[in-house]
Amino acid sequence: DIQMTQSPSSLSASVGDRVTITCQASQGISNYLNWYQQKPGKAPKLLIYDASNLETGVPSRFSGSGSGTDFTFAISSLQPEDIATYYCQQHDNLPFTFGQGTKLEI
Amino acid sequence: QITLRESGPTLVKPTQTLTLTCNFSGFSLSTSGVGVGWIRQPPGKALEWLALIYWNNDKRYSPSLKSRLTVTKDTSKNQVDLTMTNMDPVDTATYYCAHRRGDGYNRYYFDYWGQGTLVTVSS
Repeated sequence: DIQMTQSPSSLSASVGDRVTITCQASQGISNYLNWYQQKPGKAPKLLIYDASNLETGVPSRFSGSGSGTDFTFAISSLQPEDIATYYCQQHDNLPFTFGQGTKLEI
Repeated sequence: QITLRESGPTLVKPTQTLTLTCNFSGFSLSTSGVGVGWIRQPPGKALEWLALIYWNNDKRYSPSLKSRLTVTKDTSKNQVDLTMTNMDPVDTATYYCAHRRGDGYNRYYFDYWGQGTLVTVSS
């Protein structure tokens, strides 16, 4: 299985801050990497697919980059409604695997 | 508009078999490229992919759980079932079904999710 390692596990930031989360794959996965946002008690929501493509309807302050084994997710200007846990997920090989999550707090 | 909803028992006893149903609308599971996946999340923990059924009835399972899982579909009812045998307390989790957007056997984007159903395994 491909292991996905996110860092940090938790992050505290202020409204308006730029926030970045990294995700490292245990082997190269090209750009087969998705990012999800999960708010408490809710289902995950797809934000970014194939490392850098913004899902329709997702605000442009969210972005993703990377290829191979190292990926970055960013929020350019943190908003109160962005408080959530963020997960990366690889879809290069079965079984699909998720990172352990990054809990974002204000 | 795509929607999915999971249903099934909220409490099962150890060693019992769990069957969950995902009822969906807004898409057909006979359309090429479409799939429905199952993902679970133990309380306070990360997401874990379990299984996927494709439009052509092909199926994929997590290797660590493959011997215990069966996924089936009823296209006419817009329904997908997940069966997990020999339930254990460590299987306590919220179980989600999700719509897979992709291209044949390439690209897997879980772009619509059900609200999830919490299943507790306890005697």
